[in-house]
Amino acid sequence: AQKVTQAQTEISVVEKEDVTLDCVYETRDTTYYLFWYKQPPSGELVFLIRRNSFDEQNEISGRYSWNFQKSTSSFNFTITASQVVDSAVYFCALSEARTSGSRLTFGEGTQLTVNP
Amino acid sequence: NAGVMQNPRHLVRRRGQEARLRCSPMKGHSHVYWYRQLPEEGLKFMVYLQKENIIDESGMPKERFSAEFPKEGPSILRIQQVVRGDSAAYFCASSPGTVGLSTEAFFGQGTRLTVV
Repeated sequence: AQKVTQAQTEISVVEKEDVTLDCVYETRDTTYYLFWYKQPPSGELVFLIRRNSFDEQNEISGRYSWNFQKSTSSFNFTITASQVVDSAVYFCALSEARTSGSRLTFGEGTQLTVNP
Repeated sequence: NAGVMQNPRHLVRRRGQEARLRCSPMKGHSHVYWYRQLPEEGLKFMVYLQKENIIDESGMPKERFSAEFPKEGPSILRIQQVVRGDSAAYFCASSPGTVGLSTEAFFGQGTRLTVV
């Protein structure tokens, strides 16, 4: 069975600090996909990144970066020089290739608060 | 290109009434997914549909819940005889094909159901 664990329920930082959100996953499939979504206070879900299990290259997009390590089944997300607008709940999610319709299994989310 | 449209955004129902939640997928998307987010929790998969077919309903409660995605018109999530425990945010997502290597699911803004 697939499972996603986000051990950090809440994180609070001061603006301009770097912050890393942890994500650990479990799957028996060899082909799977990992995602991060952002849910701001307005409630919608914003797609941030997709990564497949065969691509372990880290990715950087502006202030965001992702570290995918299959050896530890982790897909961590780092925000550099955090800003108040980064305050949101962040969800890590997993989809197995053989799962019908590729439904997503979400972690419980990490509430990030960036204080001015 | 409009995103995934859900309506209503907020819905209040008394215990025992019926709730109907609508989801219009993005243009060209034939795959629809419904997720439920209980307060302070992550999103949980409910059902996956393609046009006129339920592909995977393994996350749907066995009673009172049903979903459809007709040939014409939006997908409907129907909850009969609502109870307080049904109060949650219900998210719809759509994709043009199987989520995975080349595509992700795009989420609507959600319908927040409150049962009083």
